[in-house]
Amino acid sequence: DIQMTQSPSSLSASVGDRVTITCQASQDISNYLNWYQQKPGKAPKLLIYDASNLETGVPSRFSGSGSGTDFTFTISSLQPEDIATYYCQQYDNLPMYTFGQGTKLEIK
Amino acid sequence: EVQLVQSGAEVKKPGESLKISCKGSGYSFTSYWIGWVRQMPGKGLEWMGIIYPGDSDTRYSPSFQGQVTISADKSISTAYLQWSSLKASDTAMYYCARQLYSRAGGGYFQHWGQGTLVTVSS
Repeated sequence: DIQMTQSPSSLSASVGDRVTITCQASQDISNYLNWYQQKPGKAPKLLIYDASNLETGVPSRFSGSGSGTDFTFTISSLQPEDIATYYCQQYDNLPMYTFGQGTKLEIK
Repeated sequence: EVQLVQSGAEVKKPGESLKISCKGSGYSFTSYWIGWVRQMPGKGLEWMGIIYPGDSDTRYSPSFQGQVTISADKSISTAYLQWSSLKASDTAMYYCARQLYSRAGGGYFQHWGQGTLVTVSS
């Protein structure tokens, strides 16, 4: 099965900073990579699907890129409401999924 | 409006059985895969498995194969996650989520249930 390595596990940044999270797959997953945001006590929320497609209604400061095994998630200008844990998720067409370990984002 | 409504919190003893539910509404229940995700206290998301209610085709993560059973009753638009003998380590929040396919063929979870907290303690 495919393993996902997400880094960093935690991150502290200031409002207005550019924030980057990476996710690496153990084998080529094409662009079948999604990103979710989870706030405490809430269900996850889809932000990005197919590596770079922004889900409807998600602010444009969120973006994703990559293909194959290496992927990046970026917040262009960190806002206070972005404090959350972020997860990458790979999909294969069995269908089967794997989540990354998560990145906890805090305000400095 | 697509909604997934999960059953309420459960407190059980080790060795007991349990079945939690996820009721879909606002869409054709039989046409979309429903997945289950575990989140242990203070930990990350773990994908457990997925079912296609139209024909009950089911896939499990290797980590959960044999540990849980996923099923669905399409007559009442409800998916289930069940345990035959709970352990303390099953204590977690469990989420159901509806899978969509992108135009490129990728799968993702757009709609999520509110979660069911399962506590297993003697």
